[in-house]
Amino acid sequence: NAGVTQTPKFRILKIGQSMTLQCTQDMNHNYMYWYRQDPGMGLKLIYYSVGAGITDKGEVPNGYNVSRSTTEDFPLRLELAAPSQTSVYFCASTSGGETQYFGPGTRLLVL
Amino acid sequence: GQSLEQPSEVTAVEGAIVQINCTYQTSGFYGLSWYQQHDGGAPTFLSYNALDGLEETGRFSSFLSRSDSYGYLLLQELQMKDSASYFCAVYLAPRGSTLGRLYFGRGTQLTVWP
Repeated sequence: NAGVTQTPKFRILKIGQSMTLQCTQDMNHNYMYWYRQDPGMGLKLIYYSVGAGITDKGEVPNGYNVSRSTTEDFPLRLELAAPSQTSVYFCASTSGGETQYFGPGTRLLVL
Repeated sequence: GQSLEQPSEVTAVEGAIVQINCTYQTSGFYGLSWYQQHDGGAPTFLSYNALDGLEETGRFSSFLSRSDSYGYLLLQELQMKDSASYFCAVYLAPRGSTLGRLYFGRGTQLTVWP
């Protein structure tokens, strides 16, 4: 099993550009999550999904959108990139909730 | 709202024992998790406590007191490779609930010296 994979590993965006961060898991987990982690901080939940077709907002959803058309994939969309979205983004999945498996992260720099 | 408090930094020497405390104020609390994160890496799960008491996994143990809204992670026989950030996280819904989510603290940077 590859576990949770994320692409790209690193990206530089200009202000106002858009992009999609990809997340795929091969563990058949129903629950998937997107977090952002700013330097020296904990992880803040952006969006999460409890199954295909079902998503909900976390603590910091503004400026982001998600979709969940399959069990495996949970992409995160940034529509109009802003410097405040410079961060490391982690995707995670779980079968039951308390034990989450994280991807390697996407480092995003918005200039 | 939710809040978790943990020390920002802890230092210790190889072979020592260190305890990282976590206090929380949350609504809908169901359990306390601990995650380890090395520099540049992804968080990895260490332990989960849903009930009061001590859970032991090798050199690591985790404790929870629901009445005190308090938990800790105990690391024994410290090794250099244990240098990392440790996050406590509260689990805000029961297993299988559609509301399952983790709320993370800001993390404790552990430095282990030789």
